[in-house]
Amino acid sequence: AQSVTQLGSHVSVSEGALVLLRCNYSSSVPPYLFWYVQYPNQGLQLLLKYTSAATLVKGINGFEAEFKKSETSFHLTKPSAHMSDAAEYFCAVSVSSYKLIFGSGTRLLVRP
Amino acid sequence: EAGVAQSPRYKIIEKRQSVAFWCNPISGHATLYWYQQILGQGPKLLIQFQNNGVVDDSQLPKDRFSAERLKGVDSTLKIQPAKLEDSAVYLCASSLRAGEGEQYFGPGTRLTVT
Repeated sequence: AQSVTQLGSHVSVSEGALVLLRCNYSSSVPPYLFWYVQYPNQGLQLLLKYTSAATLVKGINGFEAEFKKSETSFHLTKPSAHMSDAAEYFCAVSVSSYKLIFGSGTRLLVRP
Repeated sequence: EAGVAQSPRYKIIEKRQSVAFWCNPISGHATLYWYQQILGQGPKLLIQFQNNGVVDDSQLPKDRFSAERLKGVDSTLKIQPAKLEDSAVYLCASSLRAGEGEQYFGPGTRLTVT
C-alpha cells in the first residue's frame, strides 16, 4: 500500500528565508508524486508533480522539489519565502496515476 | 475557463439528518472525484466517476453515503443519516481523464454535524 508522511504539521520561517517542507513516501512500485497548496477556504492547487522524468521538478511560484529514490523523499523547497506563501501544503503519492493518497499536511507560517 | 463549482459552501445540520452536496466540474472533464477532508488531515478519496460510471468507491461508507453523476456532468453526494464524525470539508475535483495526473479542485463544502 502507498502512503505519505509529512514531517512537521507546522513550519515557521521568516520572510526571505529558505522554505523546506519534508515529504517521505512509501510505495512498492515507482510512484507519481505531487505537491498541492491550499489557501484558507479554497480548494487545492497543484504546485508541481513528478512523473519519472527529471528528478528535480520546478513548479509554480518559485517552488521546486527533488525526487530521491534512495531516501524515498520528495521535499519541497523555495529559496526565499514570501508572505503570500503562507498556506497549507500537501504531499501526495499515486501509483495508478489517478488515485491520490495525501499526507496530513504542513501549515507554513511566514513571519515578517 | 470556469473552475470546479460546489454548493453550498457551508452547511450545518443535526445528526441523523440528511444533506446533499452538488458539484459541477470543469467543462469537458470526464473524470470527477469526491474527497473528504477531516480537520487536520489530508483529503481522502471517497468516490471517482469516469463519465457517469463509478471507477472506485472503495472508501465510500455505502450504508450512509451515496453519489451519482447523471449524464456524466455534474454530481451530487448525499449523506443519510449524518453522524458527528461526518463533520469535514467535502471537496470535488475533476480531471480531463483518469491518469491525467492533474486534478482541479473546487472550494469545498464545509459540513458541521451537531
